[in-house]
Amino acid sequence: GQNIDQPTEMTATEGAIVQINCTYQTSGFNGLFWYQQHAGEAPTFLSYNVLDGLEEKGRFSSFLSRSKGYSYLLLKELQMKDSASYLCAVRDRGNTGFQKLVFGTGTRLLVSP
Amino acid sequence: DTEVTQTPKHLVMGMTNKKSLKCEQHMGHRAMYWYKQKAKKPPELMFVYSYEKLSINESVPSRFSPECPNSSLLNLHLHALQPEDSALYLCASSQDLGLPGQGYTFGSGTRLTVV
Repeated sequence: GQNIDQPTEMTATEGAIVQINCTYQTSGFNGLFWYQQHAGEAPTFLSYNVLDGLEEKGRFSSFLSRSKGYSYLLLKELQMKDSASYLCAVRDRGNTGFQKLVFGTGTRLLVSP
Repeated sequence: DTEVTQTPKHLVMGMTNKKSLKCEQHMGHRAMYWYKQKAKKPPELMFVYSYEKLSINESVPSRFSPECPNSSLLNLHLHALQPEDSALYLCASSQDLGLPGQGYTFGSGTRLTVV
């Protein structure tokens, strides 16, 4: 099975930097995704890591350590519109051999002025 | 067209009703997915279709019945649901099941209420 954990909630101030951690245990790891989801809306793709290291995309960066089963999403220069849930998701081959995307518990981020 | 379109956006149904949720994409994606999301919880995978064939059924009760009539359409047929089935039902697609870097494109969901 899979076990993907994130902090439930985080708060930060506009203009600051925040790091959202994700730890995972899966049987057939094949990539890790970060999604942003505003309340009542669809998740939107932010980043993808399959090799160890840092991927940077504008104000967002994502890091992966496969040996530690650990990833983080770094958000810089926070804006009010960044208030949302952030979902870590692992693509896992599982026992069937078919790949599927399994979501972590999600982190609700609240950005205050 | 870079969207996944889901209809209806909202649905209220009784426990004896039969209804269907629809999902459509025209991006040429060959894998499509149904997820269920309860309030303040992450999406949970229900079904995966690859090249119009059911690849994964995550032990979903038979009152949920998926159908993939062609590569662009995915349906979820609902029958004899329970109030605890009330949730946001998300459809997603990807180019293929396992190509590296392939993010999933999600639809905006159908908010289902079972009364």
